[in-house]
Amino acid sequence: SQKIEQNSEALNIQEGKTATLTCNYTNYSPAYLQWYRQDPGRGPVFLLLIRENEKEKRKERLKVTFDTTLKQSLFHITASQPADSATYLCALGDPNAGNNRKLIWGLGTSLAVNP
Amino acid sequence: DVKVTQSSRYLVKRTGEKVFLECVQDMDHENMFWYRQDPGLGLRLIYFSYDVKMKEKGDIPEGYSVSREKKERFSLILESASTNQTSMYLCASSPRPSGKETQYFGPGTRLLVL
Repeated sequence: SQKIEQNSEALNIQEGKTATLTCNYTNYSPAYLQWYRQDPGRGPVFLLLIRENEKEKRKERLKVTFDTTLKQSLFHITASQPADSATYLCALGDPNAGNNRKLIWGLGTSLAVNP
Repeated sequence: DVKVTQSSRYLVKRTGEKVFLECVQDMDHENMFWYRQDPGLGLRLIYFSYDVKMKEKGDIPEGYSVSREKKERFSLILESASTNQTSMYLCASSPRPSGKETQYFGPGTRLLVL
């Protein structure tokens, strides 16, 4: 079955630097991959979606790449700010669910941006 | 903006009690989901529904049931609460499959079963 691996260790970076988070999957390449942000005690919030035929997607300071050969997505936050501190979750569409209704979730990576 | 609301932010119940968690979305989404989230285990799908009165088991349905009588409302029921059901419960919704299966989450209900 499909498994997702995200950096289990928390990432600590200095304000202004670029944060790079990794999402690796093990089996089939999904039709799309999503990134969410989750703050403590809150529900995840959607950030970006990238499709299998897209290499890169950008939104303001966020950039996502998708390499189906490496079975990996990278999530970058440029010019990071303390307000970017949160847990970031990666999720893939589950084709076995029919029409990809279900998502398979990674455990998330905690990011701390230090002022 | 899509809004998903959950009936309670915090709930304390006793072992054996019947517990109802309610979720309402205002964007006419077809799909609705119930997850629980525990440290080190991530988001685990309990049940989901892709239409009124339709439901499918997720990865951990044991001890839970659901009800979807109206499109905007999806209820999670713990028939007889147990301490191992202490968790954060998250409801989500998403539109009919369109190639953009973004899920919109509610704020969560933190349930403590004593």
